[in-house]
Amino acid sequence: QQPVQSPQAVILREGEDAVINCSSSKALYSVHWYRQKHGEAPVFLMILLKGGEQKGHDKISASFNEKKQQSSLYLTASQLSYSGTYFCGTEIYEGGSEKLVFGKGTKLTVNP
Amino acid sequence: DTGVSQDPRHKITKRGQNVTFRCDPISEHNRLYWYRQTLGQGPEFLTYFQNEAQLEKSRLLSDRFSAERPKGSFSTLEIQRTEQGDSAMYLCASSFGLAGKTDTQYFGPGTRLTVL
Repeated sequence: QQPVQSPQAVILREGEDAVINCSSSKALYSVHWYRQKHGEAPVFLMILLKGGEQKGHDKISASFNEKKQQSSLYLTASQLSYSGTYFCGTEIYEGGSEKLVFGKGTKLTVNP
Repeated sequence: DTGVSQDPRHKITKRGQNVTFRCDPISEHNRLYWYRQTLGQGPEFLTYFQNEAQLEKSRLLSDRFSAERPKGSFSTLEIQRTEQGDSAMYLCASSFGLAGKTDTQYFGPGTRLTVL
């Protein structure tokens, strides 16, 4: 039930674009994206609540394809500060309550 | 506006000892979650509280683990008779916890546990 993220790692030069994918075998209620820098807490980026929804701020955006049970995170014109590990959390309904199940993460490195 | 805080930030203990971690959520948040994170993995759900009620516990949470949130504010996670496999980052998160609605979880900085 853990969502699968791809790629596992990506290395960019500053200004390049990247796409991180997150897919699940279970029906999704929502998808949550976080970024975590080494030794720090995961920081919330955005949440997508329904199929077809797209969101973004600055140059980071995401889409949610409910039918395909997947979400993608788009990083355009990457900056050095974008480096970190990106996690998607998929909300599933199990045992009478909702909970987030996180993928293993995608490590993004942005070099000058 | 203070975020989620956790104490201690680091804990080194010997196998067999008991340890207790504390989490202070964002003040108006009703829900509090505990996660465990190991190297190269995403956070793994352990348990969560709605106010003072513990609503769900993961199968990952053995009998050696216990969590409390006595007054619906801060929470403690205790691990008894620690094992080397317990070494991990223990993360706490909180959210508003609106019934029937998805909301955002905000994470604390974590407590890194090392069991020797």
